[in-house]
Amino acid sequence: GEDVEQSLFLSVREGDSSVINCTYTDSSSTYLYWYKQEPGAGLQLLTYIFSNMDMKQDQRLTVLLNKKDKHLSLRIADTQTGDSAIYFCAESKDGGSQGNLIFGKGTKLSVKP
Amino acid sequence: DADVTQTPRNRITKTGKRIMLECSQTKGHDRMYWYRQDPGLGLRLIYYSFDVKDINKGEISDGYSVSRQAQAKFSLSLESAIPNQTALYFCATSARWAGELFFGEGSRLTVL
Repeated sequence: GEDVEQSLFLSVREGDSSVINCTYTDSSSTYLYWYKQEPGAGLQLLTYIFSNMDMKQDQRLTVLLNKKDKHLSLRIADTQTGDSAIYFCAESKDGGSQGNLIFGKGTKLSVKP
Repeated sequence: DADVTQTPRNRITKTGKRIMLECSQTKGHDRMYWYRQDPGLGLRLIYYSFDVKDINKGEISDGYSVSRQAQAKFSLSLESAIPNQTALYFCATSARWAGELFFGEGSRLTVL
């Protein structure tokens, strides 16, 4: 079956690192994604990782993928108040060619000054 | 101007009424989607369309219908709205590689 699990809330202090975790069940997923939803807005793609990669880094963002455990994480270094948002993990097969991303329920990140 | 525009942004209606949510896009993408977001449930796919002649049901299509009037327009209809259809609805588009979805700002629907 297909299911993506995330914790619902995370609170950190400004300047600390944030780590948002996600587990998925479909071992045939070829791409895994992190989307960000700011208050009152739609989702925006933050980053993605192909299933044959272990890590991807993009400025303050680091994505780690453990295929054996079906575990994905997003680390945000030097977290800022502007990073406060809901972060969604999502998986797809075939790069999403079948048209359906499976989203987790989202992790609400609160950054305290 | 937004690349993906949804109207209306907010709507309050009564049980049994017919409602249409409209989506238009200027990104030139073939693929369009309607999602529903509920607190604590994440996003669930209602319908998607790969081109004007292609319509596909998603995870939760019961109670909804769609129309792809043109490449740039995709509307979602609730023929007879019920309270558990109260939610935030998002339209999204993508190019052929569907991993990157571009979302509208959402339409908040309340059914009393």
